[in-house]
Amino acid sequence: GDSVTQMEGPVTLSEEAFLTINCTYTATGYPSLFWYVQYPGEGLQLLLKATKADDKGSNKGFEATYRKETTSFHLEKGSVQVSDSAVYFCALPNRDDKIIFGKGTRLHILP
Amino acid sequence: NAGVTQTPKFRILKIGQSMTLQCAQDMNHNYMYWYRQDPGMGLKLIYYSVGAGITDKGEVPNGYNVSRSTTEDFPLRLELAAPSQTSVYFCASSREGRSGNTIYFGEGSWLTVV
Repeated sequence: GDSVTQMEGPVTLSEEAFLTINCTYTATGYPSLFWYVQYPGEGLQLLLKATKADDKGSNKGFEATYRKETTSFHLEKGSVQVSDSAVYFCALPNRDDKIIFGKGTRLHILP
Repeated sequence: NAGVTQTPKFRILKIGQSMTLQCAQDMNHNYMYWYRQDPGMGLKLIYYSVGAGITDKGEVPNGYNVSRSTTEDFPLRLELAAPSQTSVYFCASSREGRSGNTIYFGEGSWLTVV
C-alpha cells in the first residue's frame, strides 16, 4: 500500500546551518505531496506542497522538489532559525483519499 | 477566521468514564477527520467522514464513535475510557480528499485517562 518514510529524529542543528529532512514515498500513480509542520503545543499546519512531478513547493525559506525518479520529496532550508524548531511531517493522499503521514522528524535549532 | 475549532483543549478522565470531543469547522468542507497522536509518534486516523451522514473507520477506531449530522460538526465519543486512550486528539477538515487539497487542523485536545 501507499506509504511515507521520513528520516528519524531528532535532528539538532546550530542556527544558520543547512537543513535537509529526507522523505521517500511509495504510491500508486502520482499523488500530491505535502510537508506539514507542528510547532510546540499546536496542531499541524501546511508548510508546502507539490502537486506533480518536478514541481517545487516553497514557503518560509523551506523548499521541496517532487522527484518522481527517486520517489522523494526532501525538505531543505538554507539557513535555519531557532523559530524553525518543530516537528515536520511528510504526507500524501492514498488511493482512498486519506492522507498518510510519516512519523515526523523533530528539529531542534540551537542559538 | 475560526477554521477548525476543538473543545475541550485539556481533559482528565477516570477509567470507565465517557466523554465527547467536539469539533466544528466553518469552511464548508466535506471531509473531516479525527487523528490521535501519541507522545513522540506520528498521527493515526481514528475515523473520517466524507459528508454529512457518512462516516467510516480509520486505522484505530476501537473504543471510539463518531457522528456527522451536519457539515460543520464532527464530534468524537469515547465510551468507557481506558489508559491506552491517553493521547492528543486532532480534528481536521478538507474540501475534498483528493490530491492537492490541504488538510486544516484544529489545535488539539490533550486527554489523560487515569
